[in-house]
Amino acid sequence: KAGVTQTPRYLIKTRGQQVTLSCSPISGHRSVSWYQQTPGQGLQFLFEYFSETQRNKGNFPGRFSGRQFSNSRSEMNVSTLELGDSALYLCASSPGTGGGVETQYFGPGTRLLVL
Amino acid sequence: AQSVTQLDSQVPVFEEAPVELRCNYSSSVSVYLFWYVQYPNQGLQLLLKYLSGSTLVKGINGFEAEFNKSQTSFHLRKPSVHISDTAEYFCAVSDSGSARQLTFGSGTQLTVLP
Repeated sequence: KAGVTQTPRYLIKTRGQQVTLSCSPISGHRSVSWYQQTPGQGLQFLFEYFSETQRNKGNFPGRFSGRQFSNSRSEMNVSTLELGDSALYLCASSPGTGGGVETQYFGPGTRLLVL
Repeated sequence: AQSVTQLDSQVPVFEEAPVELRCNYSSSVSVYLFWYVQYPNQGLQLLLKYLSGSTLVKGINGFEAEFNKSQTSFHLRKPSVHISDTAEYFCAVSDSGSARQLTFGSGTQLTVLP
């Protein structure tokens, strides 16, 4: 099975712009979670989508949003970019249908640099 | 709320020596514990996980970890490291209430020296 794929791998934007990142989960996985990784704050949970609905949300401002399509692919959008949004954005997928904990499988990430 | 503490931010060790990376967690409910590894410019790869059952968990690349409920620890060990083990290691926790939301520690950079 192919792993989790993320596009683009690298991105440079300027302050005030908006950006959209894409994630394709492992085939058959219906849950997609997003994480932000920065040197200062480490790895932080952004949100999780399942069946096109946001099921769980971390503590990030409303500038961070996402969506999921019927084929389980997910996009994450950040509006009005700030310098502090520079980070590695990681996407993880899991089956999503289990009642308990599921192992998450991570993609290679999108590295965003905001100038 | 749950939290994870990785006690060492950097661990240098010579090749073929044993290593232990320490992880402590806090949670008011039953937890599930994970170790992930991140190589430079890559995403996270699952090393091993503890969900239930035996407290000694074996993972990939010769790593193992022991879940100790009384000490709320989940330390990662390898009896003999290789240069290729140089990477950052993250301990993570989740619970049944937030099954797909991982809380990560701050990471431990393992550097294996020749």
